[in-house]
Amino acid sequence: AQKVTQAQTEISVVEKEDVTLDCVYETRDTTYYLFWYKQPPSGELVFLIRRNSFDEQNEISGRYSWNFQKSTSSFNFTITASQVVDSAVYFCALIYGQNFVFGPGTRLSVLP
Amino acid sequence: GAGVSQSPSNKVTEKGKDVELRCDPISGHTALYWYRQSLGQGLEFLIYFQGNSAPDKSGLPSDRFSAERTGGSVSTLTIQRTQQEDSAVYLCASSLRGGHGELFFGEGSRLTVL
Repeated sequence: AQKVTQAQTEISVVEKEDVTLDCVYETRDTTYYLFWYKQPPSGELVFLIRRNSFDEQNEISGRYSWNFQKSTSSFNFTITASQVVDSAVYFCALIYGQNFVFGPGTRLSVLP
Repeated sequence: GAGVSQSPSNKVTEKGKDVELRCDPISGHTALYWYRQSLGQGLEFLIYFQGNSAPDKSGLPSDRFSAERTGGSVSTLTIQRTQQEDSAVYLCASSLRGGHGELFFGEGSRLTVL
């Protein structure tokens, strides 16, 4: 079965703290893609990153970084020096066939 | 338009009425998805269109739900005889070709069934 778990329902941090959002996935496919999306209060989901199963190299984009580990089926997302504008719900997703399976989301609140 | 457009942005209806929600995907995107997001919940897949292929309807929760996509572009999600549990935000997304391409989401249509 294809499944994405985001165990952290809500996280609150103070501005400038680092925060890591966890994502654990299950799939029987050997080739798959993982995604992170951000849903700010406005509601529109915004694509952040796509990673294929053959590329375990960690990626950094500004204050964002992603740690993909196939051995633990995890694809964690870290925000360094968090800002109030990072407050949103973050979804991890796995592509399964032509369909996307989304995790339940983690609500991040960054307090000033 | 530049992005995925959905209408109406908000819809309030009475139990038992039919509603239609519209999605206008990004021009040239062959794949179109509908998802439902209940309050505080994750995204629930409803239906997927890819080009001229038969749609994947495996996520539709009941036969009250249907969707069509005309001319490979605009899609309409229809909910017949609405129930209170249908209240949710209905999200549409499109992708250049489906598969592993990234999804571009609209802002959603918030449906409230009284």
